[in-house]
Amino acid sequence: QKEVEQDPGPLSVPEGAIVSLNCTYSNSAFQYFMWYRQYSRKGPELLMYTYSSGNKEDGRFTAQVDKSSKYISLFIRDSQPSDSATYLCAMSSPRSGNTPLVFGKGTRLSVIA
Amino acid sequence: EPEVTQTPSHQVTQMGQEVILRCVPISNHLYFYWYRQILGQKVEFLVSFYNNEISEKSEIFDDQFSVERPDGSNFTLKIRSTKLEDSAMYFCASRRLAGETQYFGPGTRLLVL
Repeated sequence: QKEVEQDPGPLSVPEGAIVSLNCTYSNSAFQYFMWYRQYSRKGPELLMYTYSSGNKEDGRFTAQVDKSSKYISLFIRDSQPSDSATYLCAMSSPRSGNTPLVFGKGTRLSVIA
Repeated sequence: EPEVTQTPSHQVTQMGQEVILRCVPISNHLYFYWYRQILGQKVEFLVSFYNNEISEKSEIFDDQFSVERPDGSNFTLKIRSTKLEDSAMYFCASRRLAGETQYFGPGTRLLVL
């Protein structure tokens, strides 16, 4: 079983739609959860960062973590064409100060005007 | 806003040649990382570095790879004898403290011919 699974898409939605992106994971030691946005041939850009379970909201973006189900989500409200990118989930465990991130494969999103 | 920078943005090399990829992490960050992303695949961890030594490395990071922080600002990844399969996007990342998230540079696209 892969450590982090993410549906690669592509996902195509009309402008203004609510987008739901998800990842599942198998390692119960993961405590830190992140969503990055990656435009084509660019570096990952941090969108959201959460610790343990719960919700976090930032503007049009909401991140949810359900540790009991080993499931994390990113919701984008009022999606815009500029949101078209690949969204990567990433997570790490707190076993030491320098733990690497484990990434999902990324979901490619297209928001159509 | 401070950011991680990487040079060069693109590098083309012949198989068997040595390459050095350079990164300038965010200035008050203490933890440094290299990741790579083969086209169409996940971002994969290579190595982490803290307090002037390697903290952790993946199975990808074999004897052909090395990292160095030659001064107070640069962080380099050297590949001694490149192989075709080293062709990928290489990302540098840094973070300030344990438990905080990592910030990525724009990447170096390496093509080995």
